[in-house]
Amino acid sequence: KAGVTQTPRYLIKTRGQQVTLSCSPISGHRSVSWYQQTPGQGLQFLFEYFSETQRNKGNFPGRFSGRQFSNSRSEMNVSTLELGDSALYLCASSFEGRTYNEQFFGPGTRLTVL
Amino acid sequence: DQQVKQNSPSLSVQEGRISILNCDYTNSMFDYFLWYKKYPAEGPTFLISISSIKDKNEDGRFTVFLNKSAKHLSLHIVPSQPGDSAVYFCAASATRGGSNYKLTFGKGTLLTVNP
Repeated sequence: KAGVTQTPRYLIKTRGQQVTLSCSPISGHRSVSWYQQTPGQGLQFLFEYFSETQRNKGNFPGRFSGRQFSNSRSEMNVSTLELGDSALYLCASSFEGRTYNEQFFGPGTRLTVL
Repeated sequence: DQQVKQNSPSLSVQEGRISILNCDYTNSMFDYFLWYKKYPAEGPTFLISISSIKDKNEDGRFTVFLNKSAKHLSLHIVPSQPGDSAVYFCAASATRGGSNYKLTFGKGTLLTVNP
């Protein structure tokens, strides 16, 4: 089975721009979560989608948004980029159906904001 | 307020010896705990997990211990191998109440296993 894939792997943007990151979950997985990893804050939960609906949300400003498509693929968008948005953005997918679902992570998208 | 803490940013051990990585949590709603390993330029890889109804879970060289009263868990790797060198993240989840898909992570511990 192919793992979680994320595109692009690397991205350079300037302040004020917007960016869209893409995530394809493992086949059969219906839950997709997004995390931001920075050196100072570690891994922080952004949001989680299931069946095209946002089910959980972390403590990030409204500039961070996401969506999920009917094939479970997900995108996250960051508008009006700030220098502090430079981070590794990780997507994780999990299979719905058990009490707790282990999350499988993709390799991440490294976003640099100049 | 950091709910999951890994107080040791780094740990260095000799090959063949035991590695012990520690993690503390503050949120009493957490009832499921996981350890992930992360190599540079890769996403975290799941290692082992433990439910709060247990105090120990073992998988090969990896054992996780949970002390609920102290809100503390630890990961033991025996014997340690150079390939274990990576950043280890402790994560926790509150599975009741609909938040079981949100993982709260510690900031990680860099383990270096010297040959």
